[in-house]
Amino acid sequence: GEDVEQSLFLSVREGDSSVINCTYTDSSSTYLYWYKQEPGAGLQLLTYIFSNMDMKQDQRLTVLLNKKDKHLSLRIADTQTGDSAIYFCAESEGGSQGNLIFGKGTKLSVKP
Amino acid sequence: DAGVTQSPTHLIKTRGQQVTLRCSPKSGHDTVSWYQQALGQGPQFIFQYYEEEERQRGNFPDRFSGHQFPNYSSELNVNALLLGDSALYLCASSSRYYGYTFGSGTRLTVV
Repeated sequence: GEDVEQSLFLSVREGDSSVINCTYTDSSSTYLYWYKQEPGAGLQLLTYIFSNMDMKQDQRLTVLLNKKDKHLSLRIADTQTGDSAIYFCAESEGGSQGNLIFGKGTKLSVKP
Repeated sequence: DAGVTQSPTHLIKTRGQQVTLRCSPKSGHDTVSWYQQALGQGPQFIFQYYEEEERQRGNFPDRFSGHQFPNYSSELNVNALLLGDSALYLCASSSRYYGYTFGSGTRLTVV
């Protein structure tokens, strides 16, 4: 079945870049997402990428997609303490309204 | 513009009881999806409602049921609660032209 894998923890210094990696298994996924979850809160959509794209940049966020290796990464430039949260990678079955399959999340800790 | 609203925010129930969680979608959205997020895990898809019908369903038992009303709001019902049903339940609304918007969730504790 479909599966999404992420490393569980990442620790960086304030001002450094963070790179969070994700692998997925469903080659038919058309949309891939990055969500942010702060303690006690719901999910905030950070960015998404269509499967026919290699890269997408949105301010401090850069998403890279290697479709051949089914590898997705999220780079956060100039990481701030407010970026500390859990980041989830998700793939969508069946288009933009297909159900989302999430990884277990990567906890990002930003040290001052 | 209000986003997705879920109620209640927290709930404590006893094993064997039944619970109903509620969700009001974001304005302009006609589709509601429910997810269960156990502690330390990613959200898992329960089901999706569109035009008052269950359109997709994940791997959850029949104890989990839902409903969508004509105003697009939705309820999630869980019968015969188990300790393992303790989780954060997230509602997400969407439409053909807009991606998912998640609510803040309902934290259900079963004791």
